[in-house]
Amino acid sequence: KNQVEQSPQSLIILEGKNCTLQCNYTVSPFSNLRWYKQDTGRGPVSLTIMTFSENTKSNGRYTATLDADTKQSSLHITASQLSDSASYICVVRQYGQNFVFGPGTRLSVLP
Amino acid sequence: DTAVSQTPKYLVTQMGNDKSIKCEQNLGHDTMYWYKQDSKKFLKIMFSYNNKELIINETVPNRFSPKSPDKAHLNLHINSLELGDSAVYFCASSQGPNSYEQYFGPGTRLTVT
Repeated sequence: KNQVEQSPQSLIILEGKNCTLQCNYTVSPFSNLRWYKQDTGRGPVSLTIMTFSENTKSNGRYTATLDADTKQSSLHITASQLSDSASYICVVRQYGQNFVFGPGTRLSVLP
Repeated sequence: DTAVSQTPKYLVTQMGNDKSIKCEQNLGHDTMYWYKQDSKKFLKIMFSYNNKELIINETVPNRFSPKSPDKAHLNLHINSLELGDSAVYFCASSQGPNSYEQYFGPGTRLTVT
C-alpha cells in the first residue's frame, strides 16, 4: 500500500533553534518527493522538490535530504523563526499521476 | 495578482443542498487539481484536469462533479451535501501533469450543518 508517514506529529521549539522533520514512504514506483509548508488557513506552498537522483536540496534555511534506498526524507530548518510556525507536509509522487500526502508535522516556534 | 484564486472562501450550507466552488488560475498552466483537507488536516487529491480533460479521478462520490470550461478554470459542483463533506477544499495548478511545481489556492472552507 502506498503510504507516507511523518514524524513527529507535532514539535515545539524555541526561536533560533534548529529542527529536523522526518518522512518515510512506501510509494512505488517513485517519481519525486516534495516538502510543503502550510500556514494556518492558507494553501500549501512548495519548499523543495527532489527526484530520485538528488540527495540534498536547500531553499534558504530549509534543507531537504532524500535517501531513495531507505525511502526516507528529512527537512532540516536552521535558525528557526516565528514565521516558521506551520504544518510541514511531505508528498511523494508516484510515477505517473498519483500524489500521496503525509499527515504533516505541526511546528510551533516560540519566542 | 493572485495566481490561483477560489470563491467563495467560506461556505456554510445545510445538508441536502447543492453548491459550487469556483477556481481560476492566471498562470497559463495546463493542469488543475482539486484537493480535500479534512479535519485531521490530511490532504487528498480528488480530481485533476489537463487541458480540460479529466486525468485523475480518485475514489470520490458521484455527488462531486468537476467542470472545466477552459484551461484556466476548474469548478467543483457538489450535489446533496452531507455532513462528511465538511472540509477545506483546495484548488491547485501546475504547468503540466508531470510538472514538479504545484501552486495552491487559498482554500474554501465548507461547513455542512
